[in-house]
Amino acid sequence: NAGVTQTPKFQVLKTGQSMTLQCAQDMNHEYMSWYRQDPGMGLRLIHYSVGAGITDQGEVPNGYNVSRSTTEDFPLRLLSAAPSQTSVYFCASSGTGWRFTEAFFGQGTRLTVV
Amino acid sequence: GDSVTQMEGPVTLSEEACLTINCTYTATGYPSLFWYVQYPGEGLQLLLKATKADDKGSNKGFEATYRKETTSFHLEKGSVQVSDSAVYFCEGDSWGKFQFGAGTQVVVTP
Repeated sequence: NAGVTQTPKFQVLKTGQSMTLQCAQDMNHEYMSWYRQDPGMGLRLIHYSVGAGITDQGEVPNGYNVSRSTTEDFPLRLLSAAPSQTSVYFCASSGTGWRFTEAFFGQGTRLTVV
Repeated sequence: GDSVTQMEGPVTLSEEACLTINCTYTATGYPSLFWYVQYPGEGLQLLLKATKADDKGSNKGFEATYRKETTSFHLEKGSVQVSDSAVYFCEGDSWGKFQFGAGTQVVVTP
């Protein structure tokens, strides 16, 4: 039972580079979301999806793109990395009847932009 | 809009002390409430939950009761251990967007 898998675990980028953070879940969950966690700031929602083909912006979407072509995958793309995007990124998913079920989190991706 | 307000940390305690972390949720609807724990270097994992008024969630010696009048869900543990050192997050659902509190770091010293 893999749950939510995020890759890579660590990444260093140069300013202006682009990259994709991968997130996959094997629980057939409808709901998936991306958060960033900065010291003293808790979790901030970047983008979320309520099903394949449907995405929406969260609290801090600028500089990030997402797509949801399948139920399993929800990649997060950084278009042109900036030092302000240095953070720990978490992907989460929740299942059908999500109101009464918890979010399952990946182990996180620690991103440093230099 | 909907929001979760959580007690700020860090909270530093001695082993066997009592722990309480306050959490309140403001919402137009009637949310389910959750507590998550995050150990160093790891993702969040569910600690306990409650889906309706007067529900009590419990796990690993932690408890929280859903108080409808105040939409509060305070986390309590009667005797903490060093292994309880972590960051604790309160969360309420919001129809597709989970609303998390800012997190409370708890440090338990021997």
